[in-house]
Amino acid sequence: DTAVSQTPKYLVTQMGNDKSIKCEQNLGHDTMYWYKQDSKKFLKIMFSYNNKELIINETVPNRFSPKSPDKAHLNLHINSLELGDSAVYFCASSQDRPQVETQYFGPGTRLLVL
Amino acid sequence: KNQVEQSPQSLIILEGKNCTLQCNYTVSPFSNLRWYKQDTGRGPVSLTIMTFSENTKSNGRYTATLDADTKQSSLHITASQLSDSASYICVVRGQAGTALIFGKGTTLSVSS
Repeated sequence: DTAVSQTPKYLVTQMGNDKSIKCEQNLGHDTMYWYKQDSKKFLKIMFSYNNKELIINETVPNRFSPKSPDKAHLNLHINSLELGDSAVYFCASSQDRPQVETQYFGPGTRLLVL
Repeated sequence: KNQVEQSPQSLIILEGKNCTLQCNYTVSPFSNLRWYKQDTGRGPVSLTIMTFSENTKSNGRYTATLDADTKQSSLHITASQLSDSASYICVVRGQAGTALIFGKGTTLSVSS
């Protein structure tokens, strides 16, 4: 009965490869997010989708492309991986009612680019 | 520029002691502030969420306070336990659907 799940949990790959991280939420939430947490533990939002539509797109390289096939899924595809992409990527979801929304985070995907 | 600053950066306390973590923000206009707990190797988990009109909110041994005038919040942990060892992240939402602004967190270590 996991609320927000991500796969894979660990991902080790070579520079230049293309990889995808999948996220699913079974909470019935309208909004999903991708965050990047660097080695200094600083969380930074990358994207946000509401009902399959992109609503936040922070300044990230266009090698990162989110895809939302339905409102329960938000996948992250990364092209031409670079060393600096190594980080923990968190998916999250919220109901997005103003004032009261709480974000529920997945367990994270630890990406290591060699 | 909208910012969220947390202090201290790290803190070590003995089991059973109390502690207070600080969060100062410059986000304006302000909608709400939340505290998250992030255990090592896991995603953040929400502890409290406070709106402009709320001064204090408790969740078990965790009590958050908010002073919207001075733009300061604190998280007080009472009778700390080893399981409280984690990073505590302060997050502020501005109004009109703006993105959440995350602080860098305070790393708390509770030792026996």
